[in-house]
Amino acid sequence: GDSVTQMEGPVTLSEEAFLTINCTYTATGYPSLFWYVQYPGEGLQLLLKATKADDKGSNKGFEATYRKETTSFHLEKGSVQVSDSAVYFCALSDPGGFKTIFGAGTRLFVKA
Amino acid sequence: DTEVTQTPKHLVMGMTNKKSLKCEQHMGHRAMYWYKQKAKKPPELMFVYSYEKLSINESVPSRFSPECPNSSLLNLHLHALQPEDSALYLCASSQERKETQYFGPGTRLLVL
Repeated sequence: GDSVTQMEGPVTLSEEAFLTINCTYTATGYPSLFWYVQYPGEGLQLLLKATKADDKGSNKGFEATYRKETTSFHLEKGSVQVSDSAVYFCALSDPGGFKTIFGAGTRLFVKA
Repeated sequence: DTEVTQTPKHLVMGMTNKKSLKCEQHMGHRAMYWYKQKAKKPPELMFVYSYEKLSINESVPSRFSPECPNSSLLNLHLHALQPEDSALYLCASSQERKETQYFGPGTRLLVL
């Protein structure tokens, strides 16, 4: 079945460091891909999305490109801030539209 | 209004109690979801309503009973829960089933 694999965390970075969180997926058909962020004690917020191959989603300095050839959707940010500390979930919406499948989540800590 | 609201924020209940969680959205979304999230885990889908009809039940125990009284409201009725049911319960909505989901802040449930 469809699945999402994320790099294990936690990831600890200093402020202004470059961030990459790897995400790969397995799916039949052409899913939409998402990154959600969850701050402590809160629900999930959509960070960015891409709906077809080679699309780039971007928001708040984060970006990710839908790579069909490598089945990947890696999250990047050029300069992280302390306020980016959160858990990041990669997800796909299966082409049948019935479910969103989440990766295990990657916890990011950013030190001042 | 791009908000999904959930009440209560916190709930403590005994194993013999009956309680209800409530979720509301006014974005005109026709799909609504209940998820359960344990600590340091991704959300697990419980139920999906599409056009006020239950379309997915992920083999959830009958002590959880969903209800969708109208297109803006989603309830989750709880009865005879177990301590292992303690978790964050998240509600989400989307325009259609395969579109971006918008999450509420969740209800943190503790079963004693």
